[in-house]
Amino acid sequence: QVQLQESGPGLVKTSETLSLTCTVSGDSMFHYHWSWIRQPPGKGLEYIGYVYYTGSTDSIPSLKSRVTISLDTSKNQFSLTLSSVTTADTAVYYCARGLGYCNEGSCFPLSEFDHWGQGALVTVAS
Amino acid sequence: QSALTQPPSASGSPGQSVTISCTGSSSDVGAYNYVSWYQQHPGKAPKRMIYEVSKRPSGVPDRFSGSKSGNTASLTVSGLQAEDEADYYCISYAGNDNLGVFGGGTKLTVL
Repeated sequence: QVQLQESGPGLVKTSETLSLTCTVSGDSMFHYHWSWIRQPPGKGLEYIGYVYYTGSTDSIPSLKSRVTISLDTSKNQFSLTLSSVTTADTAVYYCARGLGYCNEGSCFPLSEFDHWGQGALVTVAS
Repeated sequence: QSALTQPPSASGSPGQSVTISCTGSSSDVGAYNYVSWYQQHPGKAPKRMIYEVSKRPSGVPDRFSGSKSGNTASLTVSGLQAEDEADYYCISYAGNDNLGVFGGGTKLTVL
C-alpha cells in the first residue's frame, strides 16, 4: 500500500522560502510524476507541479519563477521549495503520486493522482 | 490554461441521484479521455473516485459513475448516502505542454 507523508515547518515568514518534503513508502518512485497540490483555507485545489522520476520537472506558469521541485530516490523523497512567499501562499500543501503516459521515449503527466498525503498546513505570516 | 467550470453546489435526498458537471474546452475535456474526479471530506485529503472519464478505482462504490459529452464531463452519484456529502473536484489532461487545472469544486449536500 503506497503511503505519502508531508513534513516541514508549519509557519514561514513573509518573503522567506517555504520548504516541504514528501516521504513515499510502499512502492518505488520509478515511472510516476510526483506532484504537489495546494489548497488555501476555504478554497479549491491548485496543481502546483511535479517531478518525474528521471528528475524532469514542470510547474504552473503563475508559480514557475518561485517553485523548485526535486527528488531523492535513494531516500524515497521529493521536495517543494517556494521562494518569496506572501500570505497568499498560506494553504494546505498535499503531495500526491501522479500518473502519466510515455510515447516514443518521452513521458508526460496526465494530471491524475491516485495516492495523496494527508496534507500539511503552512501559514505565511510576518 | 483555464480552470474547469463546476457548479458551486448540488444536493439531493438519500436514495436519489445527483449529477455534477465539469465544463472545459476542446483543448482539455473535449480533446482527451483523461478526466478524473476527487472526493474531499472536511479536513481530509482528496480521494480519487473516477479516472479516464468513467473508470472506478478498486474500492469505490459502483454508485459513482462518470461520463462525458463534448466539452463537459459529469459525475453521477446514485442512491445518495449521508457519507457522500463532500466536496467534489474534477481535473482533465490538457496536452503534453500543459498541466491540468482543477475545477472550482462542487459542494454536495445530502438533504
